[in-house]
Amino acid sequence: GQQVMQIPQYQHVQEGEDFTTYCNSSTTLSNIQWYKQRPGGHPVFLIQLVKSGEVKKQKRLTFQFGEAKKNSSLHITATQTTDVGTYFCVGNSGTYKYIFGTGTRLKVLA
Amino acid sequence: DAGITQSPRHKVTETGTPVTLRCHQTENHRYMYWYRQDPGHGLRLIHYSYGVKDTDKGEVSDGYSVSRSKTEDFLLTLESATSSQTSVYFCAILGQGPGELFFGEGSRLTVL
Repeated sequence: GQQVMQIPQYQHVQEGEDFTTYCNSSTTLSNIQWYKQRPGGHPVFLIQLVKSGEVKKQKRLTFQFGEAKKNSSLHITATQTTDVGTYFCVGNSGTYKYIFGTGTRLKVLA
Repeated sequence: DAGITQSPRHKVTETGTPVTLRCHQTENHRYMYWYRQDPGHGLRLIHYSYGVKDTDKGEVSDGYSVSRSKTEDFLLTLESATSSQTSVYFCAILGQGPGELFFGEGSRLTVL
């Protein structure tokens, strides 16, 4: 079945440093979503990517969908303490079954 | 806020007892989901529903059953709870935006 892996599993950065998490699917995806979960909270939708090679930005966050639609990345520029949490990608193969990646837990040191 | 409430929010039970978690939504969304979250495993899809009485299995459906007799309620049942089912359970609905899942606050289940 479909598997979505994320690396790294954990990342500690100093405040102000950049951060990137990568998402890789075993199958070609129709679209991919990204979510953020704060400690003790529930996942919150950030964005959806649909097109091959698509790049979208939200302030300091840059999301990219690979040309083959099997991988994606989330890059945060100049991290802040408010960026702390776990970031999940969610791969979708054109069905309504949304499979979460394994997540990357980000810790930002002030 | 997508009007999702989960109940109970916390439950402690013993191995072998039945447990039902309820997800209630107020906005008439068609698709509803149950996920479990465990350390090191992210969120794993248990079951989902695409309408009243229409459900399908997810990644980790063994030991779980679901029912949806009304649009607004999606029930997750553990017929005979085991310690491996100790987890945080999240309900989600698929909103109007593309691919946007809205999650409930979660139900923390401990099976002793």
